[in-house]
Amino acid sequence: DTEVTQTPKHLVMGMTNKKSLKCEQHMGHRAMYWYKQKAKKPPELMFVYSYEKLSINESVPSRFSPECPNSSLLNLHLHALQPEDSALYLCASSQDTSSYEQYFGPGTRLTVT
Amino acid sequence: AQKITQTQPGMFVQEKEAVTLDCTYDTSDPSYGLFWYKQPSSGEMIFLIYQGSYDQQNATEGRYSLNFQKARKSANLVISASQLGDSAMYFCAMRVAGGFKTIFGAGTRLFVKA
Repeated sequence: DTEVTQTPKHLVMGMTNKKSLKCEQHMGHRAMYWYKQKAKKPPELMFVYSYEKLSINESVPSRFSPECPNSSLLNLHLHALQPEDSALYLCASSQDTSSYEQYFGPGTRLTVT
Repeated sequence: AQKITQTQPGMFVQEKEAVTLDCTYDTSDPSYGLFWYKQPSSGEMIFLIYQGSYDQQNATEGRYSLNFQKARKSANLVISASQLGDSAMYFCAMRVAGGFKTIFGAGTRLFVKA
């Protein structure tokens, strides 16, 4: 199984809502990543988890809160977002942070109204 | 600092013909990996091919091959026998050894014409 799954596929939320994005992999990977991708732009790294510990936060605003409950799951909690946060949010995993190859999920397309 | 440059915002190719997507990179680290990803309009990033900096031979995966010229710091993707389903955005990317971050190029939009 070389699949990373993400739910929901699409999400529309208001600026006062609280929602969560979910990512799951069952490849035994110990590194997981959140990326944000605006239209017609490359993905930008947001967070890196290594062995369920947050390793990198790329100066992401606190309205985005990641969580790694176990080695297979990665959540991104959203609160008080702005319209400019509308984007495709991609999750990825790799064997560990030294592995070159990353497997990406299909993404969650988020619209903030 | 690492950098990936893709100078072709858009490319057109006739179905069944070959196409080359350009990618140059910059890094002072001797150990790195180069990747190509395909992103259809659905959004998923699909891994296509990988080349390690110490690999002697160019990587190939089915219809995809990576033309690796280390001295020129280029890692062009060659797609042979283009298909309509190859129409997508293509990203060249790099990771250095021990680095957490994957550096992406700006991408090239490929259009395959019937």
